[in-house]
Amino acid sequence: SQQGEEDPQALSIQEGENATMNCSYKTSINNLQWYRQNSGRGLVHLILIRSNEREKHSGRLRVTLDTSKKSSSLLITASRAADTASYFCATDHYGGSQGNLIFGKGTKLSVKP
Amino acid sequence: ETGVTQSPTHLIKTRGQQVTLRCSSQSGHNTVSWYQQALGQGPQFIFQYYREEENGRGNFPPRFSGLQFPNYSSELNVNALELDDSALYLCASTDQGSYGYTFGSGTRLTVV
Repeated sequence: SQQGEEDPQALSIQEGENATMNCSYKTSINNLQWYRQNSGRGLVHLILIRSNEREKHSGRLRVTLDTSKKSSSLLITASRAADTASYFCATDHYGGSQGNLIFGKGTKLSVKP
Repeated sequence: ETGVTQSPTHLIKTRGQQVTLRCSSQSGHNTVSWYQQALGQGPQFIFQYYREEENGRGNFPPRFSGLQFPNYSSELNVNALELDDSALYLCASTDQGSYGYTFGSGTRLTVV
């Protein structure tokens, strides 16, 4: 079963606006990762945040983690048309099978020029 | 060579047949995982190999099996194909001890 649940399922914004996606999960984690997928092809690793971290930045990306609420958010600032893709959170959960990243169903982001 | 490469990119098989998908890991990565992604869903973990041994498995039946070779390339074999096996199959490699995975572009399998 899928542990992560992204919200919203779909998001449409104009170029230059910020995009915020949320992820909730069910059980304790070692870390949480965000991936991007273009047109049903391979996933690209964006950022990893460990369970003892609360916020992390990478370029235009900002990720927060609230372990008490079992939730994370991904903020993309000053979005571009090239950011159009599906975004997935994936959890590496405590006690899980080796290598088992549990993905949500993703948020489909559309950035209009 | 950098990156993870998968072959073939597309494949059509008949129900009941067997299929082998291939993956070449990123240079320096000794761990490979396979995922199945149905349309509109997130990837689901099939299994992971480290040093040619399976060291983690998701909720998939035994007809899904794999191999990892000394050069860290890998195969996913699926026997007795079912229509529900139609999906994008993703291979991901990492260096044991690190956390981020490098994914290949996937093999899209259609079972008819």
